[in-house]
Amino acid sequence: SQTIHQWPATLVQPVGSPLSLECTVEGTSNPNLYWYRQAAGRGLQLLFYSVGIGQISSEVPQNLSASRPQDRQFILSSKKLLLSDSGFYLCAWSRERNYGYTFGSGTRLTVV
Amino acid sequence: SQKIEQNSEALNIQEGKTDTLTCNYTNYSPAYLEWYRQDPGRGPVFLLLIRENEKEKRKERLKVTFDTTLKQSLFHITASQPADSATYLCALGRMDSSYKLIFGSGTRLLVRP
Repeated sequence: SQTIHQWPATLVQPVGSPLSLECTVEGTSNPNLYWYRQAAGRGLQLLFYSVGIGQISSEVPQNLSASRPQDRQFILSSKKLLLSDSGFYLCAWSRERNYGYTFGSGTRLTVV
Repeated sequence: SQKIEQNSEALNIQEGKTDTLTCNYTNYSPAYLEWYRQDPGRGPVFLLLIRENEKEKRKERLKVTFDTTLKQSLFHITASQPADSATYLCALGRMDSSYKLIFGSGTRLLVRP
């Protein structure tokens, strides 16, 4: 069966520090991969999506970047975090339209 | 710009009752609409998908309708249980290979025993 792993679960980072969040998918090949951010009490904001290795689409200009070095690996990065980067980051994968997204367990990022 | 609106206030209902959650959208022409459940501190879980040419979709105690003229989807939970307490998110998608979804902010449902 397919599973999605996202880590770490929580992270407290100082302003100006770098960030790397990793997401991996098992049990499927060539998935579409997504990074969303959820602010407290808000909906999910699509940050990046990828339909294949090395193919990244950015939805919102910001302080973050994403990479897909392998088929089932999706990485969210920042060179210098801002306070406004705090939030709940969710990775998700999708293969076919009938089955919706499968989300990871999320990373709670607090920038201090 | 695209806008998706869900009941901003939490809904508080008695166990056993049926409740309806609303999802309205503007400036968008989705090919399909999905509903998710999200528990506190967890990622959303997919519940149902309904296409633009479908009026209604059912799954166990859940029923979803999709009215592209009104630009609205209704999400019904019948015989509600305390375990149904969660935030419910609607999401819209278009017919392209990205399968990317635009999410609403969700409606929190509390079912009292």
